[in-house]
Amino acid sequence: QSALTQPASVSGSPGQSITISCSGTNSDVGGYNFVSWHQHHPGKAPKLIIFNVSERPSGISNRFSGSKSGNTASLTISGLQPDDESDYFCSSYTSSRAYVFGSGTTVTVL
Amino acid sequence: QVQLQESGPGLVKPSGTLSLTCAVSGVGVSSAYEFWWSWVRQPPGKGLEWIGEIHHSGITNYNPSFKSRVDMSVDESKNQISLHLTSTTVADTAIYYCARGSYYTWWNWGQGTLVTVSS
Repeated sequence: QSALTQPASVSGSPGQSITISCSGTNSDVGGYNFVSWHQHHPGKAPKLIIFNVSERPSGISNRFSGSKSGNTASLTISGLQPDDESDYFCSSYTSSRAYVFGSGTTVTVL
Repeated sequence: QVQLQESGPGLVKPSGTLSLTCAVSGVGVSSAYEFWWSWVRQPPGKGLEWIGEIHHSGITNYNPSFKSRVDMSVDESKNQISLHLTSTTVADTAIYYCARGSYYTWWNWGQGTLVTVSS
């Protein structure tokens, strides 16, 4: 199972919106609405911010939103804040009854 | 709150067995039917890789890439999960994470533990 494709890095200024893409195939992202996004500060436990493509867990800011079109899922962070500077990775359930992760994206707040 | 903590030897010799435990606090490993417990790893400079998952009933679901080498178990009395990976090579050097899953995502993760396979 190949990893999902994410841009290596995305940057934006405070207050701006940025979008991170997560490209897969119709055997994973395109085939199921089980795409998740996690925020991960290196050395710390990853934190779930989006599940089921666009749902937010309790306590997650509505500045984080998710969507999907075809085989590509997206995470948008609006009103970018310095605290948003982190690594982000996507994941998807697959037709092999397994899970696959994205390659990870580093978000930099300029 | 739910916390997970991985532990185990940081160094394993090639061809040896990598054994890790994940201590769970704040929730019982079998307190909800929908809980599945996963192991995920990240080799240096690479992306995350799902190793597999175990239900508290003992049902397992392994990544085919590891199927012949991996074994997971649940110890309800100690409230912990275990991972055993046999026939290790340097390619198994990675940060290993445990995570609590349900409904096709992971709600809680440990901070991870680095395991180096080297002679």
